[in-house]
Amino acid sequence: EAGVTQFPSHSVIEKGQTVTLRCDPISGHDNLYWYRRVMGKEIKFLLHFVKESKQDESGMPNNRFLAERTGGTYSTLKVQPAELEDSGVYFCASSQPYRGANTGELFFGEGSRLTVL
Amino acid sequence: GEDVEQSLFLSVREGDSSVINCTYTDSSSTYLYWYKQEPGAGLQLLTYIFSNMDMKQDQRLTVLLNKKDKHLSLRIADTQTGDSAIYFCAETSTLTFGKGTMLLVSP
Repeated sequence: EAGVTQFPSHSVIEKGQTVTLRCDPISGHDNLYWYRRVMGKEIKFLLHFVKESKQDESGMPNNRFLAERTGGTYSTLKVQPAELEDSGVYFCASSQPYRGANTGELFFGEGSRLTVL
Repeated sequence: GEDVEQSLFLSVREGDSSVINCTYTDSSSTYLYWYKQEPGAGLQLLTYIFSNMDMKQDQRLTVLLNKKDKHLSLRIADTQTGDSAIYFCAETSTLTFGKGTMLLVSP
């Protein structure tokens, strides 16, 4: 079974440009999360989808960030226009909801590294 | 807001035990987790503990939970060079991770 896949693995753009990151969750996982790790800092929650709906987007830093999950399958995270402080690694994770013995483990992708020059 | 705090770096010799500590603030977490990130890879679940447990042992790994002090620790016995990675503790009720502890194991 394929794990969580993210694309691209690394993107280098100039300040002011636009970048779109994509995440394909594990098939059948309703929950999809985006996280960001800026160098030397903690992994910060950005938002949480349940199927196509945004369950919690309290971690989105500002309106330059737009996340979508049309159809409840893959998700995209667009940064427009990118700023220097947006540089970091963007992780996507998926999970099944807590059910009985299910621990709700998050399965992570390898991350998309964004470098804004 | 909720915070999860960890020490940033730990260096041990091969064969020693490693202990990575974490403090958290949200007492409503049902599970507490340890994730491992190897270089160039995503985070992988290493182990977890249910919040009503004090200890969980899984081969070389021992997780201790002190709910009163909101303190979680991960002990790795007989640490190997392959254990070198960044270790994150996490509480999922608030989807909060710590900054990660880099474990460096030298031969």
